[in-house]
Amino acid sequence: EAGVAQSPRYKIIEKRQSVAFWCNPISGHATLYWYQQILGQGPKLLIQFQNNGVVDDSQLPKDRFSAERLKGVDSTLKIQPAKLEDSAVYLCASSSDAGGNYGYTFGSGTRLTVV
Amino acid sequence: AQKVTQAQTEISVVEKEDVTLDCVYETRDTTYYLFWYKQPPSGELVFLIRRNSFDEQNEISGRYSWNFQKSTSSFNFTITASQVVDSAVYFCALSEGNSGTYKYIFGTGTRLKVLA
Repeated sequence: EAGVAQSPRYKIIEKRQSVAFWCNPISGHATLYWYQQILGQGPKLLIQFQNNGVVDDSQLPKDRFSAERLKGVDSTLKIQPAKLEDSAVYLCASSSDAGGNYGYTFGSGTRLTVV
Repeated sequence: AQKVTQAQTEISVVEKEDVTLDCVYETRDTTYYLFWYKQPPSGELVFLIRRNSFDEQNEISGRYSWNFQKSTSSFNFTITASQVVDSAVYFCALSEGNSGTYKYIFGTGTRLKVLA
């Protein structure tokens, strides 16, 4: 089966610019997650979708970050305006169950550098 | 509070040595799940194993083995006869929750370097 697809692979932007990332989960996986992984740290959950509904966005900086999953399949994560501290790898994952308790499948991530 | 601690930031071993990566967790739930993931230089996190809180049996998969001990809240991962391809960052993760709402957090990772 195809894995979780993410694009772009790398992105360099200047601070205060906007950027968008795209994710296509494994077919049939209802649950989709966006994680932020800052260099040297573990991934931190930004937002979790169940189909096209948000389950948890408590750690999403809503003043600058937004995410949507309109048709319950692929998803986009946007940052506007970007700050230097947003430099990180943004990982998308999907799971077949609501809690990810059978494990996640991760994409390769988008490495964002804000200069 | 939910917490995962991987105290070892970086470990270096010589090929064919055995190595154990430690993971200590904190949770107030009686039902929870523990995981290990591997993150090679390519960046993609790869699922290795899942354990639920009611199953304390140790597991072996090839050169990998996992030791789950609820008494010490630990879920350690051992690689036997390490190989250069095992070089990666390894993350331990904990999922807890009830009523369909789960909280899933990762530790800070242990970077394993296997030297030829």
